Amino acid sequence: EAGVTQFPSHSVIEKGQTVTLRCDPISGHDNLYWYRRVMGKEIKFLLHFVKESKQDESGMPNNRFLAERTGGTYSTLKVQPAELEDSGVYFCASSQPHTWNTEAFFGQGTRLTVV
Amino acid sequence: AQSVTQLDSHVSVSEGTPVLLRCNYSSSYSPSLFWYVQHPNKGLQLLLKYTSAATLVKGINGFEAEFKKSETSFHLTKPSAHMSDAAEYFCVVSESANDYKLSFGAGTTVTVRA
Repeated sequence: EAGVTQFPSHSVIEKGQTVTLRCDPISGHDNLYWYRRVMGKEIKFLLHFVKESKQDESGMPNNRFLAERTGGTYSTLKVQPAELEDSGVYFCASSQPHTWNTEAFFGQGTRLTVV
Repeated sequence: AQSVTQLDSHVSVSEGTPVLLRCNYSSSYSPSLFWYVQHPNKGLQLLLKYTSAATLVKGINGFEAEFKKSETSFHLTKPSAHMSDAAEYFCVVSESANDYKLSFGAGTTVTVRA
């Protein structure tokens, strides 16, 4: 069974440009999460989808970030326009429905560098 | 509110010696606690989890952790380190049954010397 897959693995963009990160969850996983680790900081929650619906986006830093999950399958996270402080590693995770302590499976992350 | 403190940012051990990674948490509720590991260029992998059953939890690759409520600790141990244990380890807490958010510690990088 394929795990959580994230594209690209690395991205280097200039300040002011737009970048779109993609996450393909494990098939059948209704829950999809985005997390971020900026340099020297802890991994922080960004948002949570259940199927195509945003359940919680309280961790999104500002309105330059837009997450979508059309059709309840893969998800994208767009940063527009990117700023230097957006640099970091963006993780996606997915889990099966029901209980909260169901294991979340993480992707390998996308390393974003804004220069 | 919940938080996690990993007491060591870096731990260096010799191959074959014990590994101890320390974690303290604070939580308003009865938490669930996890340890995740990230090897270079890999995703985060679950090592073990505590969910209010046995306080001594056994995980993969010979790791185990003990939940001590009185000390609000969830330290991770392994009796004998292997070179393949070199990675970054994260202590993670999730609160009540309706809280799906994971709160991560800052991470502990483990180096294993031959």
